[in-house]
Amino acid sequence: NAGVTQTPKFQVLKTGQSMTLQCAQDMNHNSMYWYRQDPGMGLRLIYYSASEGTTDKGEVPNGYNVSRLNKREFSLRLESAAPSQTSVYFCASRTQGASTGELFFGEGSRLTVL
Amino acid sequence: DAKTTQPPSMDCAEGRAANLPCNHSTISGNEYVYWYRQIHSQGPQYIIHGLKNNETNEMASLIITEDRKSSTLILPHATLRDTAVYYCIVRVAGVLTGGGNKLTFGTGTQLKVEL
Repeated sequence: NAGVTQTPKFQVLKTGQSMTLQCAQDMNHNSMYWYRQDPGMGLRLIYYSASEGTTDKGEVPNGYNVSRLNKREFSLRLESAAPSQTSVYFCASRTQGASTGELFFGEGSRLTVL
Repeated sequence: DAKTTQPPSMDCAEGRAANLPCNHSTISGNEYVYWYRQIHSQGPQYIIHGLKNNETNEMASLIITEDRKSSTLILPHATLRDTAVYYCIVRVAGVLTGGGNKLTFGTGTQLKVEL
């Protein structure tokens, strides 16, 4: 199993450009998450999806939109990128109903906005 | 979610036990303590979790105080590869709906294992 796969791994954008970060998981998990991590800081939750068809805001949702396309895929879109969105983005998933419910993370997508 | 407090950094000699503390004084009765670590900007990795009993797995041990207001993650024989940021979070496990699925991380403890 691949686990949680994120694409692209690296991206450079100019201010005002748009792009979508893709995330897919093959573990049949219900919940999916998008976090961002800035240098020297912890993870901050952008958006999450408790189940297919639902999405909710996290701590820092401004400037982002998400789509839970199906149970496997959860995408993050930047409509008009800003330098403040330069960060490393992590997608994660977890199952519900299991005894542990731990998060599984992707390897990250490194975004630079010039 | 209960808030957690961790020291920003700790050092440990290789081969010695690393004891990482976490305070979670507002933890609720149905909230578990989870530990994750992040090695050099990779995606965070699950380590262990517990409710009230001490837990041990192949990676670490988790000691939770009787009042559940604090816990300690123990790496029994730390190696250089254990150098990472360690995150303690508290969360309800199992089936969750709506805001119950919101999982937030703090800034963690940077553990540096040295020769």
